[in-house]
Amino acid sequence: ETGVTQTPRHLVMGMTNKKSLKCEQHLGHNAMYWYKQSAKKPLELMFVYNFKEQTENNSVPSRFSPECPNSSHLFLHLHTLQPEDSALYLCASSQELAGGPGGDTQYFGPGTRLTVL
Amino acid sequence: GESVGLHLPTLSVQEGDNSIINCAYSNSASDYFIWYKQESGKGPQFIIDIRSNMDKRQGQRVTVLLNKTVKHLSLQIAATQPGDSAVYFCAGRNRDDKIIFGKGTRLHILP
Repeated sequence: ETGVTQTPRHLVMGMTNKKSLKCEQHLGHNAMYWYKQSAKKPLELMFVYNFKEQTENNSVPSRFSPECPNSSHLFLHLHTLQPEDSALYLCASSQELAGGPGGDTQYFGPGTRLTVL
Repeated sequence: GESVGLHLPTLSVQEGDNSIINCAYSNSASDYFIWYKQESGKGPQFIIDIRSNMDKRQGQRVTVLLNKTVKHLSLQIAATQPGDSAVYFCAGRNRDDKIIFGKGTRLHILP
């Protein structure tokens, strides 16, 4: 397994369900990110973790709950989502945070296509 | 607020021709730019980057040009191939060390 992997690749859930997205990076990076990608919009940064600690939360609703147990794994726990939360959720990692050595280039996973009914 | 954006949402190019994808940015303090390629069903993949102390950088079949005077950068793909069909994003690092992404241009390759 190489690079950044994400599971599941596709997820359909009802508004009352609870589900989790998983991301794993095999690059030895210290920083990990969650992005939301909606049609015709720029990538929206949701959360940033550095050495397992959350460094950024871009005003994301509490129905999205991230978890970073170690530098290689990142989860996004979902509960009581809304239809407008349907999107592609991308995980990325970088050696360091932007501005640091190797921190400006992010490596993305394939994403989880989420549909909320 | 600051932005990084592409000029066209879609671009159609004949196979074998050169492609030019343009991007504008608003923050003159941005000092680092990246181009990403996103193929269908995949996440964005790094193509090439450029720092603000350069005005041109070349990779394999790709060239990025940076014009700081008009805050514009472009990605040139030589001899466009069917495998180049994708959405291309530019991104820039702002003064707060945040990476700001543009919306993307979808490149269609015509046979």
